[in-house]
Amino acid sequence: EPEVTQTPSHQVTQMGQEVILRCVPISNHLYFYWYRQILGQKVEFLVSFYNNEISEKSEIFDDQFSVERPDGSNFTLKIRSTKLEDSAMYFCASRGTLLSYNEQFFGPGTRLTVL
Amino acid sequence: QKEVEQNSGPLSVPEGAIASLNCTYSDRGSQSFFWYRQYSGKSPELIMSIYSNGDKEDGRFTAQLNKASQYVSLLIRDSQPSDSATYLCAETRDNYGQNFVFGPGTRLSVLP
Repeated sequence: EPEVTQTPSHQVTQMGQEVILRCVPISNHLYFYWYRQILGQKVEFLVSFYNNEISEKSEIFDDQFSVERPDGSNFTLKIRSTKLEDSAMYFCASRGTLLSYNEQFFGPGTRLTVL
Repeated sequence: QKEVEQNSGPLSVPEGAIASLNCTYSDRGSQSFFWYRQYSGKSPELIMSIYSNGDKEDGRFTAQLNKASQYVSLLIRDSQPSDSATYLCAETRDNYGQNFVFGPGTRLSVLP
């Protein structure tokens, strides 16, 4: 069964450093998303991406964040200068076409720890 | 500000019983609703989606939607210890799969 994959599973970085989180969405899916979940809190939307551009972003997704689909398979989230409060689980999700309605399928997540 | 509310639990039920999980939402424009299961330290796993008022059944799971009352529920029949997890309710306003708004989740514990 096709699935969303994410690397690395755990990333430890120093405050102020740049990190890139990587995702491989389900093949042939067209819509891609990043969410985060701070420990013990709810899942929060960051950004959605379709047709090689951002379609929607939340207040969390400020100038420190960027997304890219550098090739036909990867979807990345970059945080330019990490802060302590960026420590969280980051989930990538993808969705197929209108025929699949709105169902989003999540990857296993990357745990980001900022020291 | 769109909100999705859930009782945080824990909700404890004995094995074999019916577990009932509830969710309310604030945005009357919400179109689509989803239940995800999340085991500790893992990612959300889609259980069911529901778009129309009424019931939708899938195996041991039944989702119920009442848009007039802005209420969604999930029933789990014949609960198993493996169903012990946090259940997340999510909604989205449009039909184009933009951002989900998640509730805080209800922790379910099924006791053997």
